[in-house]
Parts: sequence; structure tokens; C-alpha cells
Amino acid sequence: GPKVLQIPSHQIIDMGQMVTLNCDPVSNHLYFYWYKQILGQQMEFLVNFYNGKVMEKSKLFKDQFSVERPDGSYFTLKIQPTALEDSAVYFCASSLRGYYAEQFFGPGTRLTVL
Amino acid sequence: GDQVEQSPSALSLHEGTGSALRCNFTTTMRAVQWFRKNSRGSLINLFYLASGTKENGRLKSAFDSKERYSTLHIRDAQLEDSGTYFCAAEDTNAYKVIFGKGTHLHVLP
Repeated sequence: GPKVLQIPSHQIIDMGQMVTLNCDPVSNHLYFYWYKQILGQQMEFLVNFYNGKVMEKSKLFKDQFSVERPDGSYFTLKIQPTALEDSAVYFCASSLRGYYAEQFFGPGTRLTVL
Repeated sequence: GDQVEQSPSALSLHEGTGSALRCNFTTTMRAVQWFRKNSRGSLINLFYLASGTKENGRLKSAFDSKERYSTLHIRDAQLEDSGTYFCAAEDTNAYKVIFGKGTHLHVLP
């Protein structure tokens, strides 16, 4: 089936540094999402993105978070500065439409903030 | 409370037997997806339903928006079916899915 790639698979950084997580979505998809899963907890929605804009974000999407997809390249999640509580696995997903649309997930990036 | 309640949280099955996982929703959802997280942590799409039922091999899923639930039936369980299964419901008013807490399935020889 369609594949979403995420780079890197694991990132370790010091608290206060900036990190960018990269997602290569399914090629013809138009909607992009980030989800966060802290170890042992539920997967939670962070943000979705369409046509260059954030369509919706949750309370977990702090001011230190930003997303973009410049020129149809990677869909990125940037955290600046990072905090200890940002340690989690971040899953990227994409879908063809916003509604009635199956979302396809990447394998996740494990972020460890020290 | 949680909008998506998934049960059971853990399930052990012997090879060859079957069971059902269930997700109840506190509000009307537009659609539901079922995933299995494999040993590498990847979310594998199993089903996407806006209504009715779908079947794929030994798996069958149903979604009833009006009654606010979805089920995933596994029959003739195999060792490789072990993993964590999630339902995720598409919120009627939003462009997002809301995940259940998952069911840890352990298939025993």
C-alpha cells in the first residue's frame, strides 16, 4: 500500500535545542498530520495541515511547535526550543482528502530530549 | 471522558481461536480505521470504514455510526497476529482521528 516515510527514525537532543522531524508523505496526498505518543500513553493528535496552512491543532501543539511543507518537499515538524516533555514518538500521516479519507501513517520518529 | 473507548485492553488467544475487539464512541463519528502496530512500532492499516462491514482474510470489521461502535473480529488467530491493535475514529467535526488506547493481543501456541 501507500507508504509514508519518516526521517530520522530516532533523534536524541539536549533540552533547549531545536529539532526538525521530517515526513515524506504519500505522493498525491494533500492533507498532512502529526500525532504524538508518549511511552505507555495514548496516541494524541497534534496538528493537521492543508494547502500551506494549519487547519486544526490540539492543545498539545505548543507555541514552540511549527509545521511546514515548503515547495512540496518534506512535511516537517519543528520544535524550538525542546523540553523534556517533548520526548515521545511522533507519527506523521497523510490522506488524500480531509474527510472520509483513510490516513496512512509513517513508522514514527522517536525523539529523546535529555 | 475519552471519546473513543477501546476494549479489552489486553487479550490472550490460543492459536486457531478467535475473538472480537470493540470501540465505543461517545459521539457520532464519520468513519473508523483499524491499525495493528507491529514489532517495529509501525502502524499497519487494516481497515477503513465509513459504514457497514469489510473483510480481509481472517479479519472482519464493522462500523455502526448511529449505534456508535466498531468491532474488529479475528478468527483462526495465528502467532503473527500478536501485537497492539488500535481503532481510530474520524471526528465528524474535524480533520483528525481520535485513537483508542489499544488492545494488546497475545496469541499463544
